[in-house]
Amino acid sequence: KAGVTQTPRYLIKTRGQQVTLSCSPISGHRSVSWYQQTPGQGLQFLFEYFSETQRNKGNFPGRFSGRQFSNSRSEMNVSTLELGDSALYLCASSLAGRSNQPQHFGDGTRLSIL
Amino acid sequence: AQSVSQHNHHVILSEAASLELGCNYSYGGTVNLFWYVQYPGQHLQLLLKYFSGDPLVKGIKGFEAEFIKSKFSFNLRKPSVQWSDTAEYFCASRSNFGNEKLTFGTGTRLTIIP
Repeated sequence: KAGVTQTPRYLIKTRGQQVTLSCSPISGHRSVSWYQQTPGQGLQFLFEYFSETQRNKGNFPGRFSGRQFSNSRSEMNVSTLELGDSALYLCASSLAGRSNQPQHFGDGTRLSIL
Repeated sequence: AQSVSQHNHHVILSEAASLELGCNYSYGGTVNLFWYVQYPGQHLQLLLKYFSGDPLVKGIKGFEAEFIKSKFSFNLRKPSVQWSDTAEYFCASRSNFGNEKLTFGTGTRLTIIP
């Protein structure tokens, strides 16, 4: 079956702009999590959605937001972009988000801020 | 809050050498543990996972890990590495309590010299 699909793969923006990233989970998966990956900080958890509800949130400013649709697809939005937002943004899905269910990752969206 | 420590940031080995990557987690309760691998240019993939039962778990590609509760450790091992094992390896934990997030270590970059 198809894996987790993230679009776009690459994005270049300038400071102050906003961006929306998209994630389609594996068919049948209802939980979607987002992570920010940078060389210095590793993988930092952004948020997790299950059945259109945000179930968990990491320590990121309110400029980072997300949502999940009824078909489990998810979007992440970053407003007022800063240089430090340059990173690889990863989406991961799991069946029901239970703690013992492994997450399956997409290829990520590489966001560069100029 | 949970934390995961991977003390080896970069490991360089020759082919056929034995490998052990360290991972320590902080949560004292029931915890689920994972090792993920990220090959160059590819997405994160699950290597193996531990939930309960036999503390020695076997994963894909000849990898195994041992859960030692008294040491809060979940070290990854492979008896004989190959050049194709060159990748970044991430340890992660997630408690069974509530809706805790999946917490990653900062990763270990493994370089295998042919």
